Order: sequence, then structure tokens, then C-alpha cells
Amino acid sequence: QVQLQESGPGLVKPSETLSLTCTVSGASISSYYWTWIRQPPGKGLEWIGYIYYSGNTNYNPSLKSRVTISVDTSKNQFSLKLSSVTAADTAVYYCAKVRGNAGLIDYWGQGTLVTVSS
Amino acid sequence: EIVLTQSPGTLSLSPGERATLSCRASQSVSSSYLAWYQQKPGQAPRLLIYAASSRATDIPDRFSGSGSGTDFTLTISRLEPEDFAVYYCQQYGGSPLTFGGGTKVEIK
Repeated sequence: QVQLQESGPGLVKPSETLSLTCTVSGASISSYYWTWIRQPPGKGLEWIGYIYYSGNTNYNPSLKSRVTISVDTSKNQFSLKLSSVTAADTAVYYCAKVRGNAGLIDYWGQGTLVTVSS
Repeated sequence: EIVLTQSPGTLSLSPGERATLSCRASQSVSSSYLAWYQQKPGQAPRLLIYAASSRATDIPDRFSGSGSGTDFTLTISRLEPEDFAVYYCQQYGGSPLTFGGGTKVEIK
């Protein structure tokens, strides 16, 4: 059974960088694509981007200038960095596994709430 | 970017009734790469349907998906108490990946 767990600060100051890590168990990170999705409180889902173990990435153009997704195969983890955050970046951030290479999301982490506030 | 519009925004039904949820795309979804997810309060979304009509593992057969091109439908044949939730469609045929705004199925 594939399991994903997000970790990182729950509170980030405006203009700083949001950093989250996703630890994967039950699957090798070297075998699939991995993705980040976020959900502002009470709102819908927004895709942030995905990464392959080789380092190949694809980002949502709406966030591309501020997003970096990276992978650490030795730790079976992948990470998200979002720079210059504002209150609009307050959301539950989910890490997830992609089936195949087209973007179908079949396993999700439980999500972690990140609040941007001074 | 493919914009997905879900309707209705809220569906008020009783257990045992049939639910029909719509997802309309702003342009044709490549290879019917359309998925449906269920989300309950405080939980992550769960994959229900992929490729427009294929049920994911362990999903009951009361859930079915149909459609192609720009018009897709999720049908729940007889609502069980655990089915009251928010449902999202997602297209994965083009980049960026996009989600619909969701349909809330609530108890009438």
C-alpha cells in the first residue's frame, strides 16, 4: 500500500519561502511521477506541478516563476518550494503519486495546512 | 488551459436516490483522460473513476462514469449515507492539469 506523508512548517511569513517535504513508503520514488496539489480553505483543488525521479519537471504556468519541485531518491522523498508567498498561498498542500505519465493521481497524502501570516 | 465547469454546484438528495453530476470541458479532453474524485471533510480526495468510465480499485459499482470529448457525467445509482461528499472532475490529457470547481452532494 502506497503511503505519502507531508511535513514542514505550518506557518510561513509573507514574502518568505514555503518548504514542504513528502516522504513516500510502499513504492519506489524512482518508478513514478510525483505531484503537489493545493486547496485553499473552503475552495477547490489547484495543481502545482509534478516531477519524475530523473528530475524532469512540469509546473503550472500560474505558479511557475515561484515553484521548485525536487526529488531525493536516497530518502524516497520529494519536496516543494514556493517563494515570495502571500496570504493567497494559504492552503492545504497535498503530495500525491501519479499513475503513468499523464497526470492521473491515484494516491494522496493526508495534506498539511500552511498558513501565510506575519 | 482546459477549464472544467461542474454542475450543479450543490445537489440535495435523499439516501437511495440517483445522483447525476456533470463536468463540461472548455475543449475536448484528449483520450478521455477525465477522472472523478470524492472528497469528505478533512480528508484528501479519493480516486473514483479514471479514463472517463473506469472504476478505480475497490470503488463500488453504484459509481459509474460516462462521456467523451467535452461532456462527462458521474452517476451514483443509489446514494448511500457515506456518499454525501464533494466530487471533483479532473482532466489529465493536457497541461496544466486542471480540476472542476466541485459538486457538493448533500443530504436533503
